[in-house]
Amino acid sequence: KAGVTQTPRYLIKTRGQQVTLSCSPISGHRSVSWYQQTPGQGLQFLFEYFSETQRNKGNFPGRFSGRQFSNSRSEMNVSTLELGDSALYLCASSWTTGGPYEQYFGPGTRLTVT
Amino acid sequence: SQQGEEDPQALSIQEGENATMNCSYKTSINNLQWYRQNSGRGLVHLILIRSNEREKHSGRLRVTLDTSKKSSSLLITASRAADTASYFCTTGPGYALNFGKGTSLLVTP
Repeated sequence: KAGVTQTPRYLIKTRGQQVTLSCSPISGHRSVSWYQQTPGQGLQFLFEYFSETQRNKGNFPGRFSGRQFSNSRSEMNVSTLELGDSALYLCASSWTTGGPYEQYFGPGTRLTVT
Repeated sequence: SQQGEEDPQALSIQEGENATMNCSYKTSINNLQWYRQNSGRGLVHLILIRSNEREKHSGRLRVTLDTSKKSSSLLITASRAADTASYFCTTGPGYALNFGKGTSLLVTP
């Protein structure tokens, strides 16, 4: 069974631009969560989608948004990029929502904002 | 906060030795999970222990939980170079994990 895939793996953007990251969960998994990881703040939860609906949201500004498609693939978007948005963005999938369930993480997208 | 605080921040041992890292948390929990992150395999779930369990084993891993002290420990026995990684504990729900800085384990041959 293929693991969680994320594209692109690396990205360089300029302040003020927007970016879209993509995540394909493990086949059969319906829950996708997004995380931001930085050296200073560690790994922080952004939001979770299940059956195309955002079920849970972390404490991030509205510039961070996401969506999930009928095939469970998910995208997250960051608008008006700031230097502080430079981070590793990870997505994780699990077969359902609620919990506790083991999450399977993708390799991440390394975003650099200049 | 649902993140744990791992201690020590860094640990260096030789292959074959045991490694012990600790986790403290602040609120009542239903479960606690340990994850590992390294450059080769990314972030991987290791083990989940529920609040009514005191000890759990998985291969070379042994996790203990003391809810009265709000603490957990992860023991890796007979460490290997491949165990070199950062280890995190978290008490959040499965879909909303928050990790702290973790324990950075270096296992040298």
